[in-house]
Amino acid sequence: GAVVSQHPSWVICKSGTSVKIECRSLDFQATTMFWYRQFPKQSLMLMATSNEGSKATYEQGVEKDKFLINHASLTLSTLTVTSAHPEDSSFYICSAPAGTSGMMETQYFGPGTRLLVL
Amino acid sequence: KQEVTQIPAALSVPEGENLVLNCSFTDSAIYNLQWFRQDPGKGLTSLLLIQSSQREQTSGRLNASLDKSSGRSTLYIAASQPGDSATYLCAVSKNSWGKLQFGAGTQVVVTP
Repeated sequence: GAVVSQHPSWVICKSGTSVKIECRSLDFQATTMFWYRQFPKQSLMLMATSNEGSKATYEQGVEKDKFLINHASLTLSTLTVTSAHPEDSSFYICSAPAGTSGMMETQYFGPGTRLLVL
Repeated sequence: KQEVTQIPAALSVPEGENLVLNCSFTDSAIYNLQWFRQDPGKGLTSLLLIQSSQREQTSGRLNASLDKSSGRSTLYIAASQPGDSATYLCAVSKNSWGKLQFGAGTQVVVTP
């Protein structure tokens, strides 16, 4: 099956710094990718939809200036957490749908990136 | 606004028992429903996908049913094994473009 990778798998940073997380589709092209955030003991919450070659679409309540998304190629989307604060500490997961004829039904998830902001 | 609820939040069973996990959603206008498995600190693995026109899907020991009109889906895992211990998430999609809304999950522990 299709594989989605994320890098790094975990990162610790100081408050106020920026952190970039990469999401790659390894063996298929993804014009759309999704970014989710998961706090401990909670479910995945969709943050934004990343669109190749155009601006990302953010969910209500997600600050687009804080969570910068760049989908520069058909296999790579990046999420940059700018001026990170301890409350941004979370598990960030990306996914990419795959399918044919516009029917993107099967979702492939990355392994996730655990961010800890001190 | 769609809300997805999973009951119970946690479940512990001895090995060999059958597992029954429930998922409910408030808006029946869904495109499909999916069940995922998540191991601690890991990403998600897709288990079953049910189209809105289908009533069930089966894969090995797993069977998922869908009653769209009542907004319910049930995941059955037969003859549970310790390796089935994980968190199980259901998610619904409103269209074919892959945007998912998740439930909070059911944490399953299967004891040897």
